[in-house]
Amino acid sequence: GAGVSQSPSNKVTEKGKDVELRCDPISGHTALYWYRQSLGQGLEFLIYFQGNSAPDKSGLPSDRFSAERTGGSVSTLTIQRTQQEDSAVYLCASRGLAGEETQYFGPGTRLLVL
Amino acid sequence: AQSVAQPEDQVNVAEGNPLTVKCTYSVSGNPYLFWYVQYPNRGLQFLLKYITGDNLVKGSYGFEAEFNKSQTSFHLKKPSALVSDSALYFCAVRDAGFSSGSARQLTFGSGTQLTVLP
Repeated sequence: GAGVSQSPSNKVTEKGKDVELRCDPISGHTALYWYRQSLGQGLEFLIYFQGNSAPDKSGLPSDRFSAERTGGSVSTLTIQRTQQEDSAVYLCASRGLAGEETQYFGPGTRLLVL
Repeated sequence: AQSVAQPEDQVNVAEGNPLTVKCTYSVSGNPYLFWYVQYPNRGLQFLLKYITGDNLVKGSYGFEAEFNKSQTSFHLKKPSALVSDSALYFCAVRDAGFSSGSARQLTFGSGTQLTVLP
C-alpha cells in the first residue's frame, strides 16, 4: 500500500483480556518497529524486526507483550492479560532498504484498558 | 546511550511570525537527527532529517532545521508560521554507529505542542 496501516484504530478492552494489534508496513520495507506513546509522553521503543533475523525485543516492558511478523510483512503485537497501564497509542513504523534511515509511521492503535 | 531533550512543552506564535522549536541531543558517536509532526489522532509524519552534509536541512511544508554539532542542537524553524502548522512536534535521534543486527531504533523527545494563533 501507499503507507503503513494499522488496525484497529481504536480498541477498548477490559483488564485481564488479551488484545492483538496489527500492522501492515509499506510494501518492500524490510524493517518494522513497534513503539508505544503514552499520554503526554514521547515514543517508547518496543520491538524491531529486520528481514528474517531474530527480532530485537529489548524494549518490551514485560513478558505479557509479544510480537510476530509473518512472511516478512504483516506484524501482530499481542498484549496478554492487559492492565490499565497498558493504555496508550501503539505505533508501528517501517523502514526501507539499508541506507534508508527514515522510519514511516502508521496512524496508530489507541488502546484503552478499563 | 542516546537521548533527546525538547525543553519547551508548549510554543505559541502568531501567524506570519517565524517559529522555532528547540531540540538538543546526546549520542556517543555521530547523530542521525529527525523531526516528525503529529496531528490530533494521527500517526507521526516525517518532516526532515540530518544524516550528513550541509548543516541546514530543508524539509516538508517550508520547515528547516540546523544541525549544530558544538551545541548538540537541531532546532526546527519556519520563517512564517501558518495556523495549520499547529500540531505536536517530535525530535528524534539515532547514533550513526551501529553493529550489524542492532535495532537502529530512534529515541524521541517528549514533544512540543506548537500553537499558531491567527
